Amino acid sequence: DVKVTQSSRYLVKRTGEKVFLECVQDMDHENMFWYRQDPGLGLRLIYFSYDVKMKEKGDIPEGYSVSREKKERFSLILESASTNQTSMYLCASRRPGASGNSGEQFFGPGTRLTVL
Amino acid sequence: GQQLNQSPQSMFIQEGEDVSMNCTSSSIFNTWLWYKQDPGEGPVLLIALYKAGELTSNGRLTAQFGITRKDSFLNISASIPSDVGIYFCAGHQAITNAGKSTFGDGTTLTVKP
Repeated sequence: DVKVTQSSRYLVKRTGEKVFLECVQDMDHENMFWYRQDPGLGLRLIYFSYDVKMKEKGDIPEGYSVSREKKERFSLILESASTNQTSMYLCASRRPGASGNSGEQFFGPGTRLTVL
Repeated sequence: GQQLNQSPQSMFIQEGEDVSMNCTSSSIFNTWLWYKQDPGEGPVLLIALYKAGELTSNGRLTAQFGITRKDSFLNISASIPSDVGIYFCAGHQAITNAGKSTFGDGTTLTVKP
């Protein structure tokens, strides 16, 4: 089974702190994603990585950056945390299907971040 | 960007009732996926659909890929308390968007025993 793990389930930080959220997958997937989930807003894509050292902005990248130095690890960085970044953060990974049609993503359990 | 309209936003039903939810889009997708998120966890894939018109079942769940490739529905029969959670549809295009899926806003299901 694919396993996607996130470094923390719950995190409390102060405004202005630099925050690192780590995600690791154990199935050699090329694609990895970071989403934030807020009530009524569904899953919003923050950043996407095609492969090692490759990244692409999603729908809401402002205030965030990412790092993908190794295939199994995708880090989300909040350069200077703000209260409006209080949210649930979900990491996911995906292996492109042999025919290119497979869209399934495998999600981690999420990190609930509170910024005070 | 692409958007999916998922409805209803929430449902409150009695145990044993059937449930139906759907997603529509202005864009064509090659794949439709349905995920379920249990409280406090990440979403888990329930059903993946790869062909227009395809009807697929997974236990009490049945999903269909619309013939126009712009919509999909998910039915749950004889609901039970553990069906509680948020259900997300997602559309995927293999050629464009290179690996990204577009997610609906979710349907929150509450089942009363």
